[in-house]
Amino acid sequence: DQQVKQNSPSLSVQEGRISILNCDYTNSMFDYFLWYKKYPAEGPTFLISISSIKDKNEDGRFTVFLNKSAKHLSLHIVPSQPGDSAVYFCAASASDSWGKLQFGAGTQVVVTP
Amino acid sequence: DAGVTQSPTHLIKTRGQQVTLRCSPKSGHDTVSWYQQALGQGPQFIFQYYEEEERQRGNFPDRFSGHQFPNYSSELNVNALLLGDSALYLCASSAGLVDYEQYFGPGTRLTVT
Repeated sequence: DQQVKQNSPSLSVQEGRISILNCDYTNSMFDYFLWYKKYPAEGPTFLISISSIKDKNEDGRFTVFLNKSAKHLSLHIVPSQPGDSAVYFCAASASDSWGKLQFGAGTQVVVTP
Repeated sequence: DAGVTQSPTHLIKTRGQQVTLRCSPKSGHDTVSWYQQALGQGPQFIFQYYEEEERQRGNFPDRFSGHQFPNYSSELNVNALLLGDSALYLCASSAGLVDYEQYFGPGTRLTVT
């Protein structure tokens, strides 16, 4: 039962342009959402998060948008840099199961010069 | 400041054998969660330990068990290994049960032949 879905397995973007990664969820009990970035041979690294009481959170080049009615969130990276090439995971947690993160399958981002 | 460490890095076992994986949390963290990441998929939650007790568990059989020690380090044990247990096993730590942001180790790659 995949409650967090990332339907785009890969994304290619030119350096300097915007990367937009999408994530959908089905569980209305989710109230906290996170994005993780993963390089090969390393564990996932926390990138940015958003609480369900907000619809936007920004941290430098990274912005996460949450649309609760559509059960959809997105991560914007502007401008994209070659070092952003990695796999990005969307994760969600519910307040009745704090710490139990449910992850999507990931989106492989390749930033080309 | 040491991050999350895991050992061993790689492991090859035969079907039916037992395996123990180890994790030391990030300094200052007292909660440890374990995840299984199969190839091409996102991490799947196995269980979480806090105050030396299993607090939450995902949809994994009883062959998967764990332990947390007084110094907050943790072990994951898998009995009667199946070929399908081949995966990257990730350990994550956080500061308390209510800290959504988890810090991941590099993982242990388990191959069952």
